[in-house]
Amino acid sequence: DTEVTQTPKHLVMGMTNKKSLKCEQHMGHRAMYWYKQKAKKPPELMFVYSYEKLSINESVPSRFSPECPNSSLLNLHLHALQPEDSALYLCASSFRTGREQYFGPGTRLTVT
Amino acid sequence: AQSVTQPDIHITVSEGASLELRCNYSYGATPYLFWYVQSPGQGLQLLLKYFSGDTLVQGIKGFEAEFKRSQSSFNLRKPSVHWSDAAEYFCAVGDENSGNTPLVFGKGTRLSVIA
Repeated sequence: DTEVTQTPKHLVMGMTNKKSLKCEQHMGHRAMYWYKQKAKKPPELMFVYSYEKLSINESVPSRFSPECPNSSLLNLHLHALQPEDSALYLCASSFRTGREQYFGPGTRLTVT
Repeated sequence: AQSVTQPDIHITVSEGASLELRCNYSYGATPYLFWYVQSPGQGLQLLLKYFSGDTLVQGIKGFEAEFKRSQSSFNLRKPSVHWSDAAEYFCAVGDENSGNTPLVFGKGTRLSVIA
């Protein structure tokens, strides 16, 4: 099974809301990732967790806060977002960093 | 640092025609190479991967890719394109031995298929 699940599929939030995106995998992968993707652009790496520790933060604004509660789960907490944060947010996992990544279907986020 | 170049931003092919999408990488040692496909509004799906060994690798959906070290290329091919192949294609390079370095993705090639 190479499935990564993401919830919710769609999210509309106001600029003062707090919401969370969730990602789950049961492949025993020890690296998990968050990406942001705007229309007609490649995915932009936001965060990397390796063995449940944050290993890469690509200078993402603090209104995005990642969390890795255990080896199977990855959350992205959202607070005080801006309209320009509207995008497709993709979660991925891999056996280790540098190996092939398996992606979830994404969460389409709209900030109003 | 690793880098990936996909020279073609957009390619249009006729249904039933052959396809080749280009990918060039920059990396000192033997890299791990991947091709992904993304349909609109969906996540990326792994088409195939190359780690070592046979330089011609077979993937899903009838795709194959050939690793050419001398040209630093990993081009994706399909002998006969179907309308459902219309999507965005991303080439990526990785290195398991580089510590915490994740995959580096190219900017993508959009494939359109016409009747």
